[in-house]
Amino acid sequence: EADIYQTPRYLVIGTGKKITLECSQTMGHDKMYWYQQDPGMELHLIHYSYGVNSTEKGDLSSESTVSRIRTEHFPLTLESARPSHTSQYLCASSELADSGANVLTFGAGSRLTVL
Amino acid sequence: LAKTTQPISMDSYEGQEVNITCSHNNIATNDYITWYQQFPSQGPRFIIQGYKTKVTNEVASLFIPADRKSSTLSLPRVSLSDTAVYYCLVAPSYNTDKLIFGTGTRLQVFP
Repeated sequence: EADIYQTPRYLVIGTGKKITLECSQTMGHDKMYWYQQDPGMELHLIHYSYGVNSTEKGDLSSESTVSRIRTEHFPLTLESARPSHTSQYLCASSELADSGANVLTFGAGSRLTVL
Repeated sequence: LAKTTQPISMDSYEGQEVNITCSHNNIATNDYITWYQQFPSQGPRFIIQGYKTKVTNEVASLFIPADRKSSTLSLPRVSLSDTAVYYCLVAPSYNTDKLIFGTGTRLQVFP
């Protein structure tokens, strides 16, 4: 069962449109992340947050922006979508596991296609 | 963060045991080893995590030798539904902001 929810699962839009990918988690985790993944390729960290009002850029430069106004909500926004933004966007949150280190829980992803 | 190296792909048949080895020569004292599984069009899912020796859960076993420079994920009696990409990650317990997933190992299970 999913404790982290992403909407929409699939989105096809035209160039220049503004889009927001939603991510919500019900686990009360402070740390949340956005990864970008092209088919068959690696996951790249594009944004993360340590908690409310905290946002950081990841290793992969992205034209998207994020906000963290509430613990459970970490939306990602593209002001003007381009075909190069076509990808799968994965949201995750993390907690310290009994085994000793943080474990990520991922959402099902949002697959974005920009025409 | 320690760099990891794992095979790009592996094939197996249903009912066999599959062992996927990950090399992490530069693992640090504070680093833990975590494995994730990813099915197509889904986010990765946590499988198992360990620091040293052997860890077992209902899904898999993780073997870590004394020098911790490698680890082996063992999947007993795989089925077709185990076809997925498996990622080995090494990171300290206090830091998850720079987790590097790499390309993983693509496991294909045949009937």
